[in-house]
Amino acid sequence: GESVGLHLPTLSVQEGDNSIINCAYSNSASDYFIWYKQESGKGPQFIIDIRSNMDKRQGQRVTVLLNKTVKHLSLQIAATQPGDSAVYFCAENRGGYQKVTFGTGTKLQVIP
Amino acid sequence: DAGVIQSPRHEVTEMGQEVTLRCKPISGHDYLFWYRQTMMRGLELLIYFNNNVPIDDSGMPEDRFSAKMPNASFSTLKIQPSEPRDSAVYFCASSFGRRRANYGYTFGSGTRLTVV
Repeated sequence: GESVGLHLPTLSVQEGDNSIINCAYSNSASDYFIWYKQESGKGPQFIIDIRSNMDKRQGQRVTVLLNKTVKHLSLQIAATQPGDSAVYFCAENRGGYQKVTFGTGTKLQVIP
Repeated sequence: DAGVIQSPRHEVTEMGQEVTLRCKPISGHDYLFWYRQTMMRGLELLIYFNNNVPIDDSGMPEDRFSAKMPNASFSTLKIQPSEPRDSAVYFCASSFGRRRANYGYTFGSGTRLTVV
């Protein structure tokens, strides 16, 4: 059986604080990036996306920042709530518009 | 819309048995994806279809795995014979691939497969 699993980095934040989740991507040719949220027992859920011709995009309580120079992506969640507790994945597009590759994920724990 | 529907939600089977996982994508979506999620390897793309045609199956682990999409509303992922290392959560996702549209996938709730 499996003796070693992925060790998900964990970010613990106080309810009401802002959260920043980081992601490094590997392929400089990637031109589309997506953040997903996965709650326990559910499939990943789309949060927000950004194209490589942008460096910032805002949604409702979430902001994604893209730094192509250092191949870094971040997700900022404003006024973090208990319902934000989940694993967050960044995904990058490689090899065509519809095929994306997921990162290993970051677990966000919100402390009430 | 009911979203992407997968069945069964849980499957426990004995090693060597055939397992079939099912997926109904969102109506109107023209791309369908099968992913596998494990603690060891995270989310892995197994195969994806466009307009019912397999486009990339390079992620399919070996010949024991096969996937079909006989029509726009149904896909299956089959494992024959199953092995304990196939134990994982299998996700199906669909999307609408029009250029400059939102490429975010919609995932199903997954099938948790346990092979004993």
